[in-house]
Amino acid sequence: DGGITQSPKYLFRKEGQNVTLSCEQNLNHDAMYWYRQDPGQGLRLIYYSQIVNDFQKGDIAEGYSVSREKKESFPLTVTSAQKNPTAFYLCASSTGTGLNTEAFFGQGTRLTVV
Amino acid sequence: AQSVSQHNHHVILSEAASLELGCNYSYGGTVNLFWYVQYPGQHLQLLLKYFSGDPLVKGIKGFEAEFIKSKFSFNLRKPSVQWSDTAEYFCAVNRNTGRRALTFGSGTRLQVQP
Repeated sequence: DGGITQSPKYLFRKEGQNVTLSCEQNLNHDAMYWYRQDPGQGLRLIYYSQIVNDFQKGDIAEGYSVSREKKESFPLTVTSAQKNPTAFYLCASSTGTGLNTEAFFGQGTRLTVV
Repeated sequence: AQSVSQHNHHVILSEAASLELGCNYSYGGTVNLFWYVQYPGQHLQLLLKYFSGDPLVKGIKGFEAEFIKSKFSFNLRKPSVQWSDTAEYFCAVNRNTGRRALTFGSGTRLQVQP
């Protein structure tokens, strides 16, 4: 089936540790995105990538890093510099980033810092 | 900066009541507009979208939205809600210049009582 796969579904991290969230898509989409969802704040953009080997910061990029070495993969690393990493993380993809494109979302990863 | 405002954070309705959720955006140029829904425990799904043409857009499950350009609004409506409509609803905007990624509102939690 075509879609976006995020793994793991639940992730626990100790304070001070880096952790990487996986996002894979088989939709042949050029653009990929990472959002963070917190109660009452909607979805906030962390990073996005319009094409392989290129990515841009979103509204809340501090404490996060990404790579886009392959078209189908856009992993997100939550570093120890992220002061409040406990949240629900959503990955999305779309055919492009211009008008008249629709984004499709993965099931999300819930990260908890213990 | 582009922003999206959803005025209702939590709405409680009885079954068969009519629904209208407000959404306003701040960008004056050409935009695409979306409503997404997140049912409890499920991933984000597209309800409907506006790219161009008829400003009254019909989506899945009996939802519709009207784009009023002069008011920078894209309100979501449903004539008669069901218990199964209990979910969180997000308005989102995309545009062709500047940052090319969806900007989301803070979401509206809808609770439908049987």
